[in-house]
Amino acid sequence: EIVMTQSPTTLSVSPGERATLSCRASQSVSNRLAWYQQKPGQAPRLVVYGASTRASGFPARFSGSGSGTEFTLIINSLQSEDFAVYYCQQYHNWYSFGQGTKLEI
Amino acid sequence: QVQLVESGGGVVQPGGSLRLSCQASGFTFSNYGMHWVRQAPGSGLEWVGNIWDDGSTKHYGDSVRGRFTISRDNSKNTLDLQMSSLSVEDTAVYYCARKGGVGAYDNWFESWGLGTLVVVSS
Repeated sequence: EIVMTQSPTTLSVSPGERATLSCRASQSVSNRLAWYQQKPGQAPRLVVYGASTRASGFPARFSGSGSGTEFTLIINSLQSEDFAVYYCQQYHNWYSFGQGTKLEI
Repeated sequence: QVQLVESGGGVVQPGGSLRLSCQASGFTFSNYGMHWVRQAPGSGLEWVGNIWDDGSTKHYGDSVRGRFTISRDNSKNTLDLQMSSLSVEDTAVYYCARKGGVGAYDNWFESWGLGTLVVVSS
């Protein structure tokens, strides 16, 4: 089983600033890494797939990078609607999620 | 647009069974693999299982294998999850999700339903 570890657990950032979220895989997942955004009471929503391809509906200030075991989601110029929990997920060997990073003001 | 609507959740006693359904619309259902993902209250996401586009192959997570069964009816655009031998640890919101693309490696979860809550309690 591939274990996904996200850091930090909670990230406090002010609107307009940059947020950097990290995700580490216990073994290489190539670029088969997705990020999801989840707001309270809502379903998760795909943000990035293939480690760096933005999903429709997300602006260019969302940027994913990485390959192998280390991945990053950067959100520039944070807007109020960006504050949520973000999960990374590998789909290289079955499917597993990180524990989430809560992005808060 | 893609729409996935789950139903069938509710309260069930430990050891009981429940069947969830997911109604799909807005895309050619028979072209896409489908997944079930669950989220226990206050917890993260856990993959439950998936089924290929033609229903020929199914896979399950370790915690549900042998107790849960995924099926689909491509003529009705529906996905089902039959759950049996339920325990309190199965209490969660259950989401159906569509595979990212039709390619073999497009295995991210592109679209999600709103979820249905299953509570296992005596």
